[in-house]
Amino acid sequence: DAKTTQPNSMESNEEEPVHLPCNHSTISGTDYIHWYRQLPSQGPEYVIHGLTSNVNNRMASLAIAEDRKSSTLILHRATLRDAAVYYCILYYPTNSGYALNFGKGTSLLVTP
Amino acid sequence: EPEVTQTPSHQVTQMGQEVILRCVPISNHLYFYWYRQILGQKVEFLVSFYNNEISEKSEIFDDQFSVERPDGSNFTLKIRSTKLEDSAMYFCASREGRINSPLHFGNGTRLTVT
Repeated sequence: DAKTTQPNSMESNEEEPVHLPCNHSTISGTDYIHWYRQLPSQGPEYVIHGLTSNVNNRMASLAIAEDRKSSTLILHRATLRDAAVYYCILYYPTNSGYALNFGKGTSLLVTP
Repeated sequence: EPEVTQTPSHQVTQMGQEVILRCVPISNHLYFYWYRQILGQKVEFLVSFYNNEISEKSEIFDDQFSVERPDGSNFTLKIRSTKLEDSAMYFCASREGRINSPLHFGNGTRLTVT
């Protein structure tokens, strides 16, 4: 599996934007970039995914570098509820299903 | 919004006993998964299930583990003879049939083996 590298932890003030980086220098052309998060005592939750173009949804934006060797998850206004572990995951989808392989992620602390 | 539900939320069992963890995936989903997370560690893939058979499994998913979809709604994980190291949070997930659909996770069952 192609590997991702994320900082262990980051801190942000409430209502400020947060940029969570992810490096994936060995990404292959068919790998999608997925982001999930895990709030305390909950299961992982899908945030966003993309292949080559930047993506926006109601939760976040995903900025993908032109060479696809890195990406950044952007939370436009952090709230206390956004405190979670954020996982950047690469995978190649297949018809038989796929296994998302979670790394250690980035633990985001949001302070009031 | 539909969600994946898991029962029980907490299961305590003695070493060597069999346990069955239950999950009700989202109703129109076609792919089903089990993951586990040992306290303080990362989320680990166990098995994926599609079209009534296992499609992928990890090294963790040995002969002690089995999965079943006994009816149209439930998806179960059975551990035949539990060990202390099976203590973990077990998460069920499901997704739609389209190839890039995201996984939807339940809130897990905490399994404690004593």
